[in-house]
Amino acid sequence: GDSVTQMEGPVTLSEEAFLTINCTYTATGYPSLFWYVQYPGEGLQLLLKATKADDKGSNKGFEATYRKETTSFHLEKGSVQVSDSAVYFCALSRRDYKLSFGAGTTVTVRA
Amino acid sequence: EAQVTQNPRYLITVTGKKLTVTCSQNMNHEYMSWYRQDPGLGLRQIYYSMNVEVTDKGDVPEGYKVSRKEKRNFPLILESPSPNQTSLYFCATQLQGAHTGELFFGEGSRLTVL
Repeated sequence: GDSVTQMEGPVTLSEEAFLTINCTYTATGYPSLFWYVQYPGEGLQLLLKATKADDKGSNKGFEATYRKETTSFHLEKGSVQVSDSAVYFCALSRRDYKLSFGAGTTVTVRA
Repeated sequence: EAQVTQNPRYLITVTGKKLTVTCSQNMNHEYMSWYRQDPGLGLRQIYYSMNVEVTDKGDVPEGYKVSRKEKRNFPLILESPSPNQTSLYFCATQLQGAHTGELFFGEGSRLTVL
């Protein structure tokens, strides 16, 4: 079935470092792709999304491009801050309109 | 303020003792769902509801029940909890028909079954 695979963590970075979290997907058809973020002690919230090939989603300095040829949706940020410490989830919308989530990647940014 | 409210936030219980986790939303969303989050497995959907009196199984429904008697509430019921239901549970809502993938999540309920 439709699914996503994202890089395992944890990832530990220093402030102002470059962050990449890899996400690849398997799907029939053309799903929409999402990144959700979960800050400590909170529920998930939508970070960004892309609904078709070559779309770029962006928010809070994060970007991800929907790459159909490589079935990927990697999340990037050029200069992370301590406040970016969180768990990041890649997700796709299935044809039944449900979301399939990846396992999550824990990111810790040190000052 | 748009909110999805879950209670309790933390609960420790024993095997076989029935419990209910409540979920309430003030956004007038038709679609509500329950997920469990486990390390290495991400979020998996337990049950969902497209509207009042309409519920359906998600990917991991065994051992759970739900009801949707009112639009704003969607309780999750564990009739006879077992240790493998120890998990972090999230309620989520979405505007029906939007199919945007934007789910609004509660803050989570951490359940431990001894």
